[in-house]
Amino acid sequence: NAGVMQNPRHLVRRRGQEARLRCSPMKGHSHVYWYRQLPEEGLKFMVYLQKENIIDESGMPKERFSAEFPKEGPSILRIQQVVRGDSAAYFCASSTGTSKNIQYFGAGTRLSVL
Amino acid sequence: SQQGEEDPQALSIQEGENATMNCSYKTSINNLQWYRQNSGRGLVHLILIRSNEREKHSGRLRVTLDTSKKSSSLLITASRAADTASYFCAAYSGGGADGLTFGKGTHLIIQP
Repeated sequence: NAGVMQNPRHLVRRRGQEARLRCSPMKGHSHVYWYRQLPEEGLKFMVYLQKENIIDESGMPKERFSAEFPKEGPSILRIQQVVRGDSAAYFCASSTGTSKNIQYFGAGTRLSVL
Repeated sequence: SQQGEEDPQALSIQEGENATMNCSYKTSINNLQWYRQNSGRGLVHLILIRSNEREKHSGRLRVTLDTSKKSSSLLITASRAADTASYFCAAYSGGGADGLTFGKGTHLIIQP
């Protein structure tokens, strides 16, 4: 049973470009969460999605950031017109959505904006 | 306000000693979870304690929860070099707020 798969592991973008981060949840999981981690910091919740629905995007910046989890395929976190402050590790987690809400994390995508 | 604040921020001990990390949170929780992160990797779930539980054990891990003080502690007994990692507590409030709220973590170094 493969774990949460994220790709790419490392992504380098120049200011103004777009970044697309992909996440395939664990088999059988229909709940996906995205977190951002700055150096020496904990993870900050960004968005929670179920298939085809955004449930909670309270942690998402209002501009340039968007997320989707289509019926088929991986969840995508999209950052338009990246700036240097977007440089961080972005982690995806998935769960079955039970009341325990144990989340299983991917290895993350490290975004570097030049 | 941020939940899940751990202390100390960094802890260095000798192999074989016990390591204790503390966590405080601000609002009511459904459960509190502890995760480990090795350098450059994703987080691994270690243990979960529900709001109506006071203590829980899993192997060399012991977690306590004091809801009156809004605090939790993680004890790792008989530490090993492989325990070197960052440890995060994460508060789960439930009730529609389904993201976990993480603290900044405790960086634990086990000296061989």
